[in-house]
Amino acid sequence: DTGVSQNPRHKITKRGQNVTFRCDPISEHNRLYWYRQTLGQGPEFLTYFQNEAQLEKSRLLSDRFSAERPKGSFSTLEIQRTEQGDSAMYLCASSIAGGVSNQPQHFGDGTRLSIL
Amino acid sequence: SQQGEEDPQALSIQEGENATMNCSYKTSINNLQWYRQNSGRGLVHLILIRSNEREKHSGRLRVTLDTSKKSSSLLITASRAADTASYFCATDAGGNYQLIWGAGTKLIIKP
Repeated sequence: DTGVSQNPRHKITKRGQNVTFRCDPISEHNRLYWYRQTLGQGPEFLTYFQNEAQLEKSRLLSDRFSAERPKGSFSTLEIQRTEQGDSAMYLCASSIAGGVSNQPQHFGDGTRLSIL
Repeated sequence: SQQGEEDPQALSIQEGENATMNCSYKTSINNLQWYRQNSGRGLVHLILIRSNEREKHSGRLRVTLDTSKKSSSLLITASRAADTASYFCATDAGGNYQLIWGAGTKLIIKP
């Protein structure tokens, strides 16, 4: 178990640029989640995959955000035309499917995005 | 939206003392989970308590759940400097496999 890996750890970019983050979940986990976290707040749900299918996307997520999990393994989160308000920590988590209830989620250490 | 609310927002105690933090939520749940987050790191799962359970222990951690009051508490006994972190509760309301998170309690253990 190598844990959930996220790359890069830090990303600094100018407003208006596109950025892409990668998440490698624990290999046997079929569920993968993306969250956004700002200072002093809890994680805010962005989207969730079961295998390669994106099953839910937050209504708060603008069209500038897109996520993929093409082979049901790693996932990417892209933000197009970044804005100042996108500055945050982006967290990825994975878990096993566990019936009707959520199983414990395993988190990566996140990608910290800073928009200049 | 954030369903859980942790209380207090911040807590500072001496090493060796017990730390108690509380979580309140709004809707019926399948389970409630507690996580710890060290500064600049991801969250680490601590304990999961199901809606039909009232108390659960794991090492120095004790979690209680009162579904009638829609609240949970996390007790850390004999605190250590390494327990310094933010602690979050997350509720599983079922239906969409989404956890709803509170804003966390920042715990500082003074040596």
